Amino acid sequence: QQQVKQSPQSLIVQKGGIPIINCAYENTAFDYFPWYQQFPGKGPALLIAIRPDVSEKKEGRFTISFNKSAKQFSLHIMDSQPGDSATYFCAAEVGGSYIPTFGRGTSLIVHP
Amino acid sequence: DAGVIQSPRHEVTEMGQEVTLRCKPISGHNSLFWYRQTMMRGLELLIYFNNNVPIDDSGMPEDRFSAKMPNASFSTLKIQPSEPRDSAVYFCASSLGQGQETQYFGPGTRLLVL
Repeated sequence: QQQVKQSPQSLIVQKGGIPIINCAYENTAFDYFPWYQQFPGKGPALLIAIRPDVSEKKEGRFTISFNKSAKQFSLHIMDSQPGDSATYFCAAEVGGSYIPTFGRGTSLIVHP
Repeated sequence: DAGVIQSPRHEVTEMGQEVTLRCKPISGHNSLFWYRQTMMRGLELLIYFNNNVPIDDSGMPEDRFSAKMPNASFSTLKIQPSEPRDSAVYFCASSLGQGQETQYFGPGTRLLVL
């Protein structure tokens, strides 16, 4: 059972574009939502995370938008660069569980 | 700190052989995770240890897979006998073990079973 649904599976944008990756969940007990970035040949690394008490969080060019009522959250990359080309995973975690549930991942390519 | 260390980085073996993957978590981290990544299934959690004790192994696909953590600085994932469908990238990750925190992933072991 896929508890975190991520879309799109792949995304291609031009440099400077704003790719948006969406995730949806069903378990209302989730209360921590991290995003991980994975470059080819590397392990995933934490990019940014949000808790449901805020609707938006920005870190540099990366922004998470969170809609608790819709049970959806998304990652926006402002002014995307070729170096942002990677696979992005959203995840969700129940408080006290220690175990995140990962989405399937989105392969992003940013063309120069 | 060197981060999470995994070995080997690449492994090619023949069907039926035993495969052992190794992981050294970040010093001071109390939680350790083994994941498998494939194109078809994405990133799957296989097993989770806390303070060297297996807490959740519901993701281990079958009895051919086993994992141990004899001490806080070492864990192994063993596949015996290996099958072609086990071909994947296997990641080890560690975290402080306080919940809702960053998981630090190793570079992964790319396994190919012929």
